[in-house]
Amino acid sequence: NAGVTQTPKFRILKIGQSMTLQCTQDMNHNYMYWYRQDPGMGLKLIYYSVGAGITDKGEVPNGYNVSRSTTEDFPLRLELAAPSQTSVYFCASSPQGMNTEAFFGQGTRLTVV
Amino acid sequence: GENVEQHPSTLSVQEGDSAVIKCTYSDSASNYFPWYKQELGKRPQLIIDIRSNVGEKKDQRIAVTLNKTAKHFSLHITETQPEDSAVYFCAAKYYGGATNKLIFGTGTLLAVQP
Repeated sequence: NAGVTQTPKFRILKIGQSMTLQCTQDMNHNYMYWYRQDPGMGLKLIYYSVGAGITDKGEVPNGYNVSRSTTEDFPLRLELAAPSQTSVYFCASSPQGMNTEAFFGQGTRLTVV
Repeated sequence: GENVEQHPSTLSVQEGDSAVIKCTYSDSASNYFPWYKQELGKRPQLIIDIRSNVGEKKDQRIAVTLNKTAKHFSLHITETQPEDSAVYFCAAKYYGGATNKLIFGTGTLLAVQP
């Protein structure tokens, strides 16, 4: 049972480059989330989705874009990478409902130089 | 906007002592309050959660309490052990119509000294 899978695990980007962080889940969860975690800090919500075709901004959406064309996949796009986007990115998913556990992927460590 | 505050940011206890971490949330529409544990270099994992219609929940050495009137909830760990050392996050789920945000607190680094 794979759960939530993120790729890549590590990436170094140059300033101004673009990339897509991949996230896929095999639990048929409707809800999916992207968080960033800066060193020694908490989890900040970037974007979330309540189902295929529906996305919404979280706490820190600037500099990022998402799409949700299928239930399984929720890619996060970085355009024009900046050093401030150096962070660990976590994708999570949860079943539909108000009171349900979120399951996290293993994270992607991104460094922008 | 929605906000979850968490205190303290660091907590050091002796093995066998109790540890308490407190959180407050801003949106009274929140109705689900999970706690996650994150070990160094790993993903956050759920350790316990509480729903808005419950005041307290216990699971072995871990307990959570919720005061909806004051918008406070707390994590209590008794008889702490070195393997409890980790970062703990509280969270609140804001549910309203098509929204379903899960907002996290800033985390508490718990160190259990043997």
